[in-house]
Amino acid sequence: SAVISQKPSRDICQRGTSLTIQCQVDSQVTMMFWYRQQPGQSLTLIATANQGSEATYESGFVIDKFPISRPNLTFSTLTVSNMSPEDSSIYLCSVEVYTNYGYTFGSGTRLTVV
Amino acid sequence: KQEVTQIPAALSVPEGENLVLNCSFTDSAIYNLQWFRQDPGKGLTSLLLIQSSQREQTSGRLNASLDKSSGRSTLYIAASQPGDSATYLCAVILSGGYQKVTFGIGTKLQVIP
Repeated sequence: SAVISQKPSRDICQRGTSLTIQCQVDSQVTMMFWYRQQPGQSLTLIATANQGSEATYESGFVIDKFPISRPNLTFSTLTVSNMSPEDSSIYLCSVEVYTNYGYTFGSGTRLTVV
Repeated sequence: KQEVTQIPAALSVPEGENLVLNCSFTDSAIYNLQWFRQDPGKGLTSLLLIQSSQREQTSGRLNASLDKSSGRSTLYIAASQPGDSATYLCAVILSGGYQKVTFGIGTKLQVIP
């Protein structure tokens, strides 16, 4: 399975600012997935990032709020923009290296907005 | 829309006990089912993946079963240890082209020494 390095592991941010989260994978992957896990809730898919094209966002998530970059097959960033306390969550990236071999997740970014 | 339910929401057991975590899903047309472990504030660690053609998978003290017809999966943990304390998440992966993953909220397990 793949190994994903996710940074930062946690941060406390002021409202109105932005935070960029990075994920580096040790294998080349076509798609990378970004999730949000709000306190006490399950994981919700934010968007799917393909190299060389615009990310595909799920209902309720927009590019202006969560811009994503995917410059190559091993790296992606998610930015949480103009943050409010409601953005306080754990953000996770995920990949599936080989079809039918399951998903691998990064170590998560615990974001607190004050 | 696929819905995934995990019961119980929380479980506290003494060390050494065997236990079962349950996961149910509404759409039986699944591709795979994956069990994860999540420590507080951290990412997900994959425990077991069951493909739709399989009925169970084993890894060490863990055994996961899948019954597509009844929409159920169970995770059996043998001889529980304090280090097993974590939240256990069930993820259902749908079939049909683009693979979408639906997660349960999880079962929070505490193993008391």
